[in-house]
Parts: sequence; C-alpha cells; structure tokens
Amino acid sequence: GAVVSQHPSRVICKSGTSVKIECRSLDFQATTMFWYRQFPKQSLMLMATSNEGSKATYEQGVEKDKFLINHASLTLSTLTVTSAHPEDSSFYICSARDDRGRVEQYFGPGTRLTVT
Amino acid sequence: AQKVTQAQTEISVVEKEDVTLDCVYETRDTTYYLFWYKQPPSGELVFLIRRNSFDEQNEISGRYSWNFQKSTSSFNFTITASQVVDSAVYFCALSIRGSARQLTFGSGTQLTVLP
Repeated sequence: GAVVSQHPSRVICKSGTSVKIECRSLDFQATTMFWYRQFPKQSLMLMATSNEGSKATYEQGVEKDKFLINHASLTLSTLTVTSAHPEDSSFYICSARDDRGRVEQYFGPGTRLTVT
Repeated sequence: AQKVTQAQTEISVVEKEDVTLDCVYETRDTTYYLFWYKQPPSGELVFLIRRNSFDEQNEISGRYSWNFQKSTSSFNFTITASQVVDSAVYFCALSIRGSARQLTFGSGTQLTVLP
C-alpha cells in the first residue's frame, strides 16, 4: 500500500529557531502534497498545497514567509517553520496524492512540534 | 466553497452498543468524493472509506457501515457492536474534482467506548 513518512515525529525547539519537517512518499510519486496543522481537539486545517517544481499555494491567513515549503522532488516535500514561536506548537500532518490518478490522499504519521 | 459539518462533538457509548456518527456536507459541484478517517490517540489518520457522488450504494465492512444519501447531503457512519478499540476521533471529509482535490474536513467526533 501507499506509505507516507514524516520526519521527525516529535521535535522540541526554542523560540526563535527554525525547524524543518520532511514528508516523503515511499512507494509512489507525488507531484502534489498537502500540509495540514492540527491544534489540540481541533480539526485538520489545510495550510498549503505543495507542487513539485513550482511554488506552493498557501491558504488564506498562512504566512508564506514563516512556513517555507520546498517540493524539490516527486517524493519529498519539506516544511520549514522559521523563527518559531510558542503559538506555532501544533501537530503538523502531510499528505500526498498518488500521480497515478487515485483519488485518495495518503497521510503521514504527523510531527508534533513544541516550541519553548 | 465546500463545507462539512459533524454536529456531534463527543459521543460516549458502552461496549457492544451501536453508534452512528453524522456527517452533513455542502458543495455545488456535482462530482465529489466523501471520506471517513479515524484518528486514534497516536495521531495518525487511518483511512476508512471513500465514496464518490455517483455511487449512493450503502456499504458494509465488518462492523462498519456507511449510509450515503444525496437527498439530505449526508454520509453517516455506523459502528455495530462497538469495542473499546474504536475509541478515537472520527473525521468526515469532502473533496471535489479540480482544485488539486483538497480535502475539507469536518470538525470531528470524539467517540469514547467504555468497557
């Protein structure tokens, strides 16, 4: 089956530092990947759509300079949280859509970010 | 714009009871897809089912069943003979053709199954 990995699974960083989260599709190619953020006891909110070889499309209210997305290959997208603040602490989940045209998105296991 | 409503924030049942999770959606598109996901405490989303707008057949998979009714824009999920392991947050989601098939999630229903 389609597998998406995320690394790291948990990260704690100090306020003001940057953190990079990787999302990889392990057994399929994904031109399109998605990044979601989930606060405790809330739903998943789409942050941005990541497209291989082009700029990401950010949802309204998401700062593109703060959440840098790089989709450099058909199997890897990265999200960098720059100058992190405690309010950026959240659960970040990526998903990938199989280029073979399947409807489903395949989700990574998530990354729990804590900014102290 | 798309919208998914899960009016039940929390449900608590006793093991072996049946439970139905409600999902109501809104979209102007005639072609769309509906999904249910389970999110256990570990956080990882588990895909349960996908339904497309042209297929209103109800589906049963073991203890799980889904009732899709376009007339009421609902896609409800029933767990029969619930078990403690069913305790999780359940999300209903919608995607439409085009727009990279982004998923719009409902707010989720926290299901707690008590022993």
